[in-house]
Amino acid sequence: QVQLQESGPGLVRPSETLSLTCNVSGGSISRSAFYWAWIRQPPGKGLEWIGKIYESGTTFYNPSLKSRLTMSLDTSKNQVSLKLTSVTAADTAVYYCAGDSTGHPPFDAFDMWGQGTMVTVS
Amino acid sequence: DIVLTQSPASLSLSPGDRATLSCRASQSVRTYLAWYQQKAGQAPRLLVYDVSKRAPGIPARFSGSGSGTDFTLTISSLEPEDFAVYFCQQRGDWPPLFTFGPGTKVDIK
Repeated sequence: QVQLQESGPGLVRPSETLSLTCNVSGGSISRSAFYWAWIRQPPGKGLEWIGKIYESGTTFYNPSLKSRLTMSLDTSKNQVSLKLTSVTAADTAVYYCAGDSTGHPPFDAFDMWGQGTMVTVS
Repeated sequence: DIVLTQSPASLSLSPGDRATLSCRASQSVRTYLAWYQQKAGQAPRLLVYDVSKRAPGIPARFSGSGSGTDFTLTISSLEPEDFAVYFCQQRGDWPPLFTFGPGTKVDIK
């Protein structure tokens, strides 16, 4: 069974860069999902899609974050990464890594989720 | 951008009741519509995708329906473990961007 585990600093200072990694275990990152995504959830609020990345490296980002966001994928390490620059308090959230393996082609829903990692900007 | 609206914002029901949750899109989302359940302190769990397909392991009491801009998640008979927050999610045509609805909280009456 494929498992996702996010990791990164719990605290980031305003204006700095947030870097997170999602480790995929129990399967190849190339075959376990059609694409990988990051989704975040501010405390007590709803879900916000951040972006997605295919094995090819093709990315699609939330327009509201696009200018600050970089996602990458390392198949040798079975990892997906996120970098968000110039963070503010508004970026405080639980960050989830997710994958879509609903079909080929996919049905564009996230059937695999990590447990999430809380990031505070302060 | 497509905006999703969920109603009601909260729902107080008893075990055994039927729950009907609504998700409305600001424009047609074709069939790129999914539903998730989230319990406190946990990651969301996919319940339904492609409007009406149940994800593996999801009980038959959960069903999705709808088309175009109006979608519904129905829980036919609430079990104690079903009290949670439910989110709908869509993917736009092009570019393939995703949005989530604000959620409906189902709590025990």
